Amino acid sequence: AQTVTQSQPEMSVQEAETVTLSCTYDTSENNYYLFWYKQPPSRQMILVIRQEAYKQQNATENRFSVNFQKAAKSFSLKISDSQLGDTAMYFCAFILGSGNTPLVFGKGTRLSVIA
Amino acid sequence: EAGVAQSPRYKIIEKRQSVAFWCNPISGHATLYWYQQILGQGPKLLIQFQNNGVVDDSQLPKDRFSAERLKGVDSTLKIQPAKLEDSAVYLCASSHGTGGAYEQYFGPGTRLTVT
Repeated sequence: AQTVTQSQPEMSVQEAETVTLSCTYDTSENNYYLFWYKQPPSRQMILVIRQEAYKQQNATENRFSVNFQKAAKSFSLKISDSQLGDTAMYFCAFILGSGNTPLVFGKGTRLSVIA
Repeated sequence: EAGVAQSPRYKIIEKRQSVAFWCNPISGHATLYWYQQILGQGPKLLIQFQNNGVVDDSQLPKDRFSAERLKGVDSTLKIQPAKLEDSAVYLCASSHGTGGAYEQYFGPGTRLTVT
């Protein structure tokens, strides 16, 4: 069974600074996807960034980028130029590339951006 | 494009009562998911539908939870009778297909409190 571990329950960062959220996962499969989801307070969950396991290049979306280390089974999220609107719960998630297996989430990291 | 709709947004019931949640996925999305998110944890899949058929309900407590997706569009999740440990946010999500290639879009959730 696949597992996802987020070891940082809470983090804080000053506005305009950079922060990195950690995530490790465990699987014996080769075809899978990794995601970071953002869940703002009392608002719905949205996808921040996605990484296909077969791609060596790290995914980037504007201020958000990942450091995907496949051999180490590590998938960290870097947020550059942090903004107050980045305050949210961040979930790392895993899913196999095909079939009907579920999206598996970590426990989340609560990020607070401080003005 | 309209997002995933859920109702009600909040519900408070006493233990042993019954409750039902409704979800309307994004138009054209064949796959629909119900997740349970207990406070302080990541979402956990309860049931997954492909059109109006159940793909995965291995984590659904079938002695008290039931779900249906009539006509392959809207879905209803029911709990009867509710227990204190059912207090959680129930998230509905939908996607075009199954597997990591298809992004899951989440609704705002229904926050259930069982007293």
